[in-house]
Amino acid sequence: GDSVTQTEGQVALSEEDFLTIHCNYSASGYPALFWYVQYPGEGPQFLFRASRDKEKGSSRGFEATYDKGTTSFHLRKASVQESDSAVYYCALGYYQGGRALIFGTGTTVSVSP
Amino acid sequence: EAAVTQSPRNKVAVTGGKVTLSCNQTNNHNNMYWYRQDTGHGLRLIHYSYGAGSTEKGDIPDGYKASRPSQENFSLILELATPSQTSVYFCASGDAFWGGNYAEQFFGPGTRLTVL
Repeated sequence: GDSVTQTEGQVALSEEDFLTIHCNYSASGYPALFWYVQYPGEGPQFLFRASRDKEKGSSRGFEATYDKGTTSFHLRKASVQESDSAVYYCALGYYQGGRALIFGTGTTVSVSP
Repeated sequence: EAAVTQSPRNKVAVTGGKVTLSCNQTNNHNNMYWYRQDTGHGLRLIHYSYGAGSTEKGDIPDGYKASRPSQENFSLILELATPSQTSVYFCASGDAFWGGNYAEQFFGPGTRLTVL
């Protein structure tokens, strides 16, 4: 079945470090790819999406490029801040039978000042 | 701004008891979803709905029922709660497509359920 794999379970960084979270997917069709962010005590919230090969999504300094060849959608940010500490979820989405999203297992990012 | 609310925010239940988690959305979205969140598993889909009167099984429906009495409300029901159902539950709403693109889901704040 379709799935999303996030390689890193936890990432610990210092402020101004570069962040990369790896996301790879497996899907039979041509899905859209999403990143969500979840802050402590809150529900996940949409960060951005990409729907086509080579499309770049971005928001709040985060970006990821849809790569159909490597089935990847890696999240990157050039300079993290303490406020970026959160759980990040990669998700695969396409309309098939009404369900919309399949989430990865999440990556906890901790940024120290 | 999309608004999804959940009640209760915290719940302690006894094994074998009945638990109902409620969700309300004011976005007029057709689709609503129930997920549970567990460490190492991320967010897993329990049930979802296309609209009032419809419910569909997600990936882990065993032990759960759902009810969608109106466009705004979607409930998750645990008829006989078990300790393995201790988790954080999230409700979400969204349409599959919006503006010609795959649409995002809007999540509520979550309900922390503990089954003793």
